[in-house]
Parts: sequence; structure tokens; C-alpha cells
Amino acid sequence: DTEVTQTPKHLVMGMTNKKSLKCEQHMGHRAMYWYKQKAKKPPELMFVYSYEKLSINESVPSRFSPECPNSSLLNLHLHALQPEDSALYLCASSHLTTDTQYFGPGTRLTVL
Amino acid sequence: AQSVTQLDSHVSVSEGTPVLLRCNYSSSYSPSLFWYVQHPNKGLQLLLKYTSAATLVKGINGFEAEFKKSETSFHLTKPSAHMSDAAEYFCVVSIRGGYNKLIFGAGTRLAVHP
Repeated sequence: DTEVTQTPKHLVMGMTNKKSLKCEQHMGHRAMYWYKQKAKKPPELMFVYSYEKLSINESVPSRFSPECPNSSLLNLHLHALQPEDSALYLCASSHLTTDTQYFGPGTRLTVL
Repeated sequence: AQSVTQLDSHVSVSEGTPVLLRCNYSSSYSPSLFWYVQHPNKGLQLLLKYTSAATLVKGINGFEAEFKKSETSFHLTKPSAHMSDAAEYFCVVSIRGGYNKLIFGAGTRLAVHP
């Protein structure tokens, strides 16, 4: 099973709202990733977690706050977002010893 | 530094004809190379991966890719296109083995006409 699940599929939020995106995998992967993808562009890496600890932050604004509460779950907390943050947010996971990443279906975020 | 260039932003083929999506890479190390496919409003699905075990890599859905070190290329092919192949395709290079940052090409949109 190579499934990564993400909820919700779609999210619309105002600039003053607080919301969270959720990602889950049960493949035993200890590396998890958040990507942002704008229309007609490739994904851009935001964060990498290994062993539930943040290992890479690609200079993402603090209005995005990741959290990895356990080895299967990855959250992305959103607060005071801007309209330009509207995008598809993708989660991925991999084993620590391999560079093959498996992606979830994404959350389509719209910030009004 | 690692980089990847997809030579065509759009490719259009007729159903039943061959598909060729071109990718060139630059890497200081022996690279891992991937092709991912993304259907509209979907996540990325791994098509295939090259890891130096064999230069011709077979993937899912009839796709394959050939690693050519002398040409620094990793082109994706399929003998006969199907309507369901219409999607965005990304050529990707890994900076190094293990968990890490992937370097994505700009993508090639494949259109398949009846």
C-alpha cells in the first residue's frame, strides 16, 4: 500500500481564519514533506520532517506552522493567510534511506 | 548543482501514436531520476525511477525511460498513447540518496487527441 491521504480535499478560508491541513500515511515512512503547488507550476518544497522533527524549512512564512505529532500524521496549521497563498498543498512521505517520495492527492486551498 | 530541464512545455499526440517526453539533467553525483504524472486536480503519481541498476527503466501504464549518461538525458516514452495519458508530467532529480529535497522540472503537459 503506497497511499498518502490528505484532508480536507478543498478548503476556503478568510484572511483572519485559522485552519489546519492533515496528512496521514501508514507505510512506516519516517520522513514527511509539505509542498505548495501553484497552477501550471511544479511543486515547491516547504517543510521536511524526519523522525517527527523538523529538518528542513525552506524559508516559509510563519503564517504556515507545521506539526508532526506522530510517525503517521503531519499537520499544517494556517493562520492569517494571504490570497497569494491559494494553491494546492501536497503532502508526501518516504523512507529515510530512499529518495522515492509518495504523494497524497492534495488540499486545494482558496484564501479570500 | 543539480538541475533538470524538460525540453517541451506541451506535447500533443493522437491516440494510438507514440509518446516522447524529453528531459535533460545536470548532476554532480550519480543521480536518482524520476518521472511523476499529475492528472488534473490530483496529486503526483510515481511512474518510474532510475537508480543505476539498469539504463532502461520500465514503469507503470506502459511507460518507460532510458538513462543516457553521455547525453545527460532521461526521456520518457510510451509506444501507444491512450486518452487517459493526458496529464502533466514532471521529470525529477534527487540531490542525493535518502530523504531529501527533490528538484523538479517545469513540467510537460501531454494532450492526447482522438
